Amino acid sequence: AQSVTQLGSHVSVSEGALVLLRCNYSSSVPPYLFWYVQYPNQGLQLLLKYTSAATLVKGINGFEAEFKKSETSFHLTKPSAHMSDAAEYFCAVSRPGANNLFFGTGTRLTVIP
Amino acid sequence: NAGVTQTPKFQVLKTGQSMTLQCAQDMNHNSMYWYRQDPGMGLRLIYYSASEGTTDKGEVPNGYNVSRLNKREFSLRLESAAPSQTSVYFCASSERTGGAFHEQYFGPGTRLTVT
Repeated sequence: AQSVTQLGSHVSVSEGALVLLRCNYSSSVPPYLFWYVQYPNQGLQLLLKYTSAATLVKGINGFEAEFKKSETSFHLTKPSAHMSDAAEYFCAVSRPGANNLFFGTGTRLTVIP
Repeated sequence: NAGVTQTPKFQVLKTGQSMTLQCAQDMNHNSMYWYRQDPGMGLRLIYYSASEGTTDKGEVPNGYNVSRLNKREFSLRLESAAPSQTSVYFCASSERTGGAFHEQYFGPGTRLTVT
């Protein structure tokens, strides 16, 4: 069965500091992995996805994530946080042939001016 | 392109009342989904429709029914609302199910309160 674990339900960083949001996955077969962002009172928006091509994936708004099979991780990073990055971030996993995504419980990012 | 639209945006129901949440997409996607979002629990799949004419249960289907009216529309019905169904409901769509095609597009959500 597939699942994802997001470590840290809340993360705070200073404006301009590195953003690191952690996601570990569990999957018996090579997974497809996604990061979504949810701004207040809005739906989820895709940030980036890993679909077994390059292990370093670049997304929108300067975010990127690296797929590490040995660590079963897909952590999301951004070199320099901006106030507009304050939101909730969800990691999700699927597998080839599956009919749905499995979402983590989310990490709320706060950016301190 | 409006993407995925949902109506209503807000709803308050009394226990035992019924209602239908509407969802439509204009991206010609084959697959559609209904999720609920509760604090600390992420998104949980209620039902999905892999293609027009099919529907399947997700993780938390009890107390809900769905109808895939046509390729564009996928509705969620609460027959007898309970306070445990207080939540934010999201509709999503994707080109189809399976692997990389699971890039899902979400609607803005319906905030439902059951008193």
